[in-house]
Amino acid sequence: DIQMTQSPSSLSASVGDRVTITCRASQSISSYLNWYQQKPGKAPKVLIYSASSIQSGAPSRFSGSGSGTDFTLTISSLQPEDFATYYCQQSYSSPFTFGPGTKVDIK
Amino acid sequence: EVQLVESGGGLVQPGGSLRLSCAASGFTFSNYAINWVRQAPGKGLEWVSAITNSGGATYYADSVRGRFTISRDNSKNTLYLRMDSLRAEDTAVYYCAVVALGGSSHYSNWGQGALVTVSS
Repeated sequence: DIQMTQSPSSLSASVGDRVTITCRASQSISSYLNWYQQKPGKAPKVLIYSASSIQSGAPSRFSGSGSGTDFTLTISSLQPEDFATYYCQQSYSSPFTFGPGTKVDIK
Repeated sequence: EVQLVESGGGLVQPGGSLRLSCAASGFTFSNYAINWVRQAPGKGLEWVSAITNSGGATYYADSVRGRFTISRDNSKNTLYLRMDSLRAEDTAVYYCAVVALGGSSHYSNWGQGALVTVSS
């Protein structure tokens, strides 16, 4: 199975900050990397798919980059509604494994 | 509007069984592969099982293989997860998730989740 890691595991930031979360795969996954946002008590929802394609309806302040084994999710200007946990997921090969998550909270 | 509504969760004793359902609407159900993903309390997301759009192929995580069975009824727009020989470590919220078309295989839509608690 492909192992996914994320860093940091948590971060504290202020509204308006630029936030970057990284994700690394244990082997090359080309661009088959997705990012999900999850708020407490809610189902995850996709923000970015195929490493850099933004999901319809997701705010443009979210962007993704990377290929191969190293990927990044960037929030250009953190908004109050962005405080949540973010997960990366590889969809290159089954099982479609997730990273352990990065919790973004208020500084 | 795409809707996925899970049901069938609850409290069950270790060794018991439960069947989850995921009722779909707002899209052509038979065109899409569907997965089950679970989340233990306070933990991350874990892929559990997958089924192709026709139901002709199924896949399982090692942790549930031989105990869980995924199936679907395309005439009823419903996905199922039969869970047998349940263990305490199966306690989680179970989500059904639609696999997007177009090759990316990301989960485009999720249900609200069904809580399964395995405890005596």
